[in-house]
Amino acid sequence: QKEVEQNSGPLSVPEGAIASLNCTYSDRGSQSFFWYRQYSGKSPELIMSIYSNGDKEDGRFTAQLNKASQYVSLLIRDSQPSDSATYLCAVNIKSNAGKSTFGDGTTLTVKP
Amino acid sequence: GAVVSQHPSRVICKSGTSVKIECRSLDFQATTMFWYRQFPKQSLMLMATSNEGSKATYEQGVEKDKFLINHASLTLSTLTVTSAHPEDSSFYICSARPGATYEQYFGPGTRLTVT
Repeated sequence: QKEVEQNSGPLSVPEGAIASLNCTYSDRGSQSFFWYRQYSGKSPELIMSIYSNGDKEDGRFTAQLNKASQYVSLLIRDSQPSDSATYLCAVNIKSNAGKSTFGDGTTLTVKP
Repeated sequence: GAVVSQHPSRVICKSGTSVKIECRSLDFQATTMFWYRQFPKQSLMLMATSNEGSKATYEQGVEKDKFLINHASLTLSTLTVTSAHPEDSSFYICSARPGATYEQYFGPGTRLTVT
């Protein structure tokens, strides 16, 4: 079992729809959770961080964390073609020397 | 804020030569920097963790004598690919972590082609 699992996709949604990206992790000691966006041929970019159970909203993005279920998700409201990218989920375990464990990413395509 | 630069953005070198890549945090001090490699259509792969003033910690399977990492200051880390071969051709990306959080800020990456 991978430490951080994501559905590789591709996930395709129409413009204006809500895109839902999911991530599960295996280590219950995980404390910090991040979503990065990576456009094709570019490096990742941090878009959200979440540390406690519940929802965290930033513009069109909402991160949701459920530590009991070991599940973190990212919702993108009013999806735009410019949101088409690979979304990487990353998890930090305090004992892991500050390294983040990344999922393999979910590729999202938003169709006009 | 939280800008990380990388230089060069693209490099082509001949097999057997060495290439140095620089990673700088421009507006914050990075106690920890990370070096990743990513092949086309593949996942991000952590190569090593670099802490200022100490030796880098390499991931399993990464040759430390081939990929030399130096983190001389709180804003600069370098990766030197020694005796590069065509199989080392890849997208090398650094990231920097400010001391207070676990968030990582990535540089734009260096595309290395070894001919």
